Amino acid sequence: IAGITQAPTSQILAAGRRMTLRCTQDMRHNAMYWYRQDLGLGLRLIHYSNTAGTTGKGEVPDGYSVSRANTDDFPLTLASAVPSQTSVYFCASSDSSYNEQFFGPGTRLTVL
Amino acid sequence: RKEVEQDPGPFNVPEGATVAFNCTYSNSASQSFFWYRQDCRKEPKLLMSVYSSGNEDGRFTAQLNRASQYISLLIRDSKLSDSATYLCVVNDSSASKIIFGSGTRLSIRP
Repeated sequence: IAGITQAPTSQILAAGRRMTLRCTQDMRHNAMYWYRQDLGLGLRLIHYSNTAGTTGKGEVPDGYSVSRANTDDFPLTLASAVPSQTSVYFCASSDSSYNEQFFGPGTRLTVL
Repeated sequence: RKEVEQDPGPFNVPEGATVAFNCTYSNSASQSFFWYRQDCRKEPKLLMSVYSSGNEDGRFTAQLNRASQYISLLIRDSKLSDSATYLCVVNDSSASKIIFGSGTRLSIRP
C-alpha cells in the first residue's frame, strides 16, 4: 500500500441494507476523516478521528458511524442505507489536525 | 453567510492568461489555510498551503489577508493542464472544524 486506499471503488446498494466503506492508510497519520461530496455542496465532513481510539462528529454525521481501533484503519458504516446517502465518499488522513490532508480515491455509492 | 465561500465559476480563460480566485472565510479564529486541486471524478490533492507572508510555487501564488478574511490563488501563464476545480480549505483546529469551499471551476482553452 502506498498512501491511502479505499474499498470498494463503487457500490450499488438497496435501501435498508448495511454497508461498510473501508479506508486504510500506511503513512502512520494520527488523524483520519470521512467526507461526502455532492454536486453543488462541496465536501462535507461526516466523522473524524484525531488519534486511534477517538472519534468525533462532523457536519453531517446522522446515519453514519465510524470506529478507529488502530492507526491505519477508519471504516465508515451505514447501518441502514437511504437514497439520500447516494454520494461520493472520500477518506483522508493527516499527521495532525493542523496539517494538509491526503485523500483516498473515493467510493461511489448509489442507494436505490 | 457560509463559513467558506468561493465563486463557483466557471472561469474560462485562454492559455497563457493570468487568473485569480478569492475565497472568503467567516471565522477569524481560523488557523491554517490550503488550496486543493480536484480533477473531474478524482480525489482532491493539495496544491499549496497558504502562509501569512504569502507563498509562491512556480506559476502559483497564494496569499492570506487576515484583516479582510480571505485567501487568494493566482495562476500565471496558465496551461491546459490547469483546468480543474480549485478548493479552498480553512482549518480552525481549536474548534476541530475543517471547512472546504465548494470549489471554483477553471477551464483553460487553447
